[in-house]
Amino acid sequence: EVQLVESGGGLVQPGGSLRLSCAASGFNFGIYSMDWVRQTPGKGLEWLAYITSSSGTIYYAESVEGRFTISRDNTKNLLYLQMTSLRDDDTAVYYCARDRTTLIDFWGQGTLVTVSS
Amino acid sequence: DIVMTQSPSTLSASVGDTVTITCRASQSIAGWLAWYQQKPGKAPKLLIFKASSLEGGVSSRFSGSQSGTEFTLTISSLQPDDFATYYCQQYHTYWTFGQGTRVEI
Repeated sequence: EVQLVESGGGLVQPGGSLRLSCAASGFNFGIYSMDWVRQTPGKGLEWLAYITSSSGTIYYAESVEGRFTISRDNTKNLLYLQMTSLRDDDTAVYYCARDRTTLIDFWGQGTLVTVSS
Repeated sequence: DIVMTQSPSTLSASVGDTVTITCRASQSIAGWLAWYQQKPGKAPKLLIFKASSLEGGVSSRFSGSQSGTEFTLTISSLQPDDFATYYCQQYHTYWTFGQGTRVEI
């Protein structure tokens, strides 16, 4: 059974940092590209970052470029999102997602990040 | 950025109805469009990809079509489990989502 389990969310002050992790199981993680997507009640679903299986190609949404870093460890079946300079409007549920040749075909259950003083 | 405009935002329906949700892309995306279903507190679930291809394990009551830059999701014979929020997403140039359509009783 395919599973993606996010962790690392929580409450952080504006300007702070947080690292999210996503543990993959039930599929060959090392051959899939992966994404991070977030969701807020106000802005809906927003794609954030993409990484190919070998980490050779990485893309970011303009809203997080320079502040967020996507990475992965194929030996541990883990995907990461390092978030810095967090702002109030980064408050959201963050999902990791599996990418099937640019089609997002499976999502984790999400982890809530709250940016507030 | 490619903007996806989805309508309606809310749709009231009854069990057994056939409903249609529309999504319009701000520019050509060929057929690189997916539809997802999301229930409260849950992750989105892929229903349709490449505008009209049904994902494995998804009921054939769901179907998708395309006319130029306008895409539709049709749910026939609505079942209680279908009451949820539906999102379109383009994956032609990066990834952008529609604002969602809540299907309610």
